Amino acid sequence: AQTVTQSQPEMSVQEAETVTLSCTYDTSESDYYLFWYKQPPSRQMILVIRQEAYKQQNATENRFSVNFQKAAKSFSLKISDSQLGDAAMYFCASGADGLTFGKGTHLIIQP
Amino acid sequence: GAVVSQHPSWVICKSGTSVKIECRSLDFQATTMFWYRQFPKQSLMLMATSNEGSKATYEQGVEKDKFLINHASLTLSTLTVTSAHPEDSSFYICSASRALEVYEQYFGPGTRLTVT
Repeated sequence: AQTVTQSQPEMSVQEAETVTLSCTYDTSESDYYLFWYKQPPSRQMILVIRQEAYKQQNATENRFSVNFQKAAKSFSLKISDSQLGDAAMYFCASGADGLTFGKGTHLIIQP
Repeated sequence: GAVVSQHPSWVICKSGTSVKIECRSLDFQATTMFWYRQFPKQSLMLMATSNEGSKATYEQGVEKDKFLINHASLTLSTLTVTSAHPEDSSFYICSASRALEVYEQYFGPGTRLTVT
């Protein structure tokens, strides 16, 4: 069984600032992936970043980076230079095929 | 590339009737498709996993006789909600992945089901 916990229901950040969203997980899988997805009001799921659990190097995608601490089962997302378009629900997910999602963090960008 | 569509985007049906939702991979062959359910302001919950040509694997607590899943081709999976009731009203999202890249899921835009 897998569980994903996002302890921040809502986060607010000033435009151009940096924000970090937290996520912890638990899994019995030995080989798995971790994801951050963005869900805007349209409800279309958009992949933000993916981390292979067997890789020690933290994944980065432009302004988005993760801090993956495998022993602590922690997988936080850092968004640098926040933009108004980053406002959305952010879901952390874990799995090797079917995904287990956290409850999400609503990110608000203050202009 | 890697576009997934769903049809319809919104459907309203009466209690007791059945409704079918289609999920199509438009520009790739999807050997595996997943169905998720999302209640308002809540997370996505995996309902079932289907591999082309095989019976779907349902998650614990999901009634397989109520939520019929068919994955008859490499580009189409369908979810049929049988004898729908108001509590089945939800947002249903499918995702699809290629062979050997099951971890890479491409999500459809979702279908809002309202049962009156």
